[in-house]
Amino acid sequence: AQSVTQLDSQVPVFEEAPVELRCNYSSSVSVYLFWYVQYPNQGLQLLLKYLSGSTLVESINGFEAEFNKSQTSFHLRKPSVHISDTAEYFCAVSEGYGQNFVFGPGTRLSVLP
Amino acid sequence: KAGVTQTPRYLIKTRGQQVTLSCSPISGHRSVSWYQQTPGQGLQFLFEYFSETQRNKGNFPGRFSGRQFSNSRSEMNVSTLELGDSALYLCASSLQIAEKYNEQFFGPGTRLTVL
Repeated sequence: AQSVTQLDSQVPVFEEAPVELRCNYSSSVSVYLFWYVQYPNQGLQLLLKYLSGSTLVESINGFEAEFNKSQTSFHLRKPSVHISDTAEYFCAVSEGYGQNFVFGPGTRLSVLP
Repeated sequence: KAGVTQTPRYLIKTRGQQVTLSCSPISGHRSVSWYQQTPGQGLQFLFEYFSETQRNKGNFPGRFSGRQFSNSRSEMNVSTLELGDSALYLCASSLQIAEKYNEQFFGPGTRLTVL
């Protein structure tokens, strides 16, 4: 069975500082990996995904994540955060083309002025 | 193109009642999935419907059921509500082109409070 661990439930960080949100997964088969962001009172939005190919994936708003198969990790990073990045971030794993996700518990990122 | 819409956005019910939530997928999307989000359990997959058939199911009791109509709109029903059913229920839709990655687009959710 798949599972996803996000060790940090809350991450406070000052504006323009770098941040890393950690994600580890367990699965016996090949998986697809995702990061979703949830702003208050909104649904989930896909931030970035790893399906195959390059292990480093990037989003349009400066986030990146690196798939590390040996460490079963998919950590999310941003070199300089903005106040608007304050949200909850969910790591998810799927064994089949983005269906039936197993989500991590989420990390609440708070960007402080 | 309009996004995934869910109605109602907020709902208050009492224990023992039943509730029906509705989800309208993005036009052309044929797959609809439902998730329950709670502070304690996080996001959990309920079930997925494709072409009016339940294709996948999570680990929830039979009180949770759903259906999909010919226009791909989906409803989920929870019978005999319990306090623990209080949650944000999210619906997601995708195109479902076979053997290809199909991004799921999430709606804003329905927040159900059971008193």
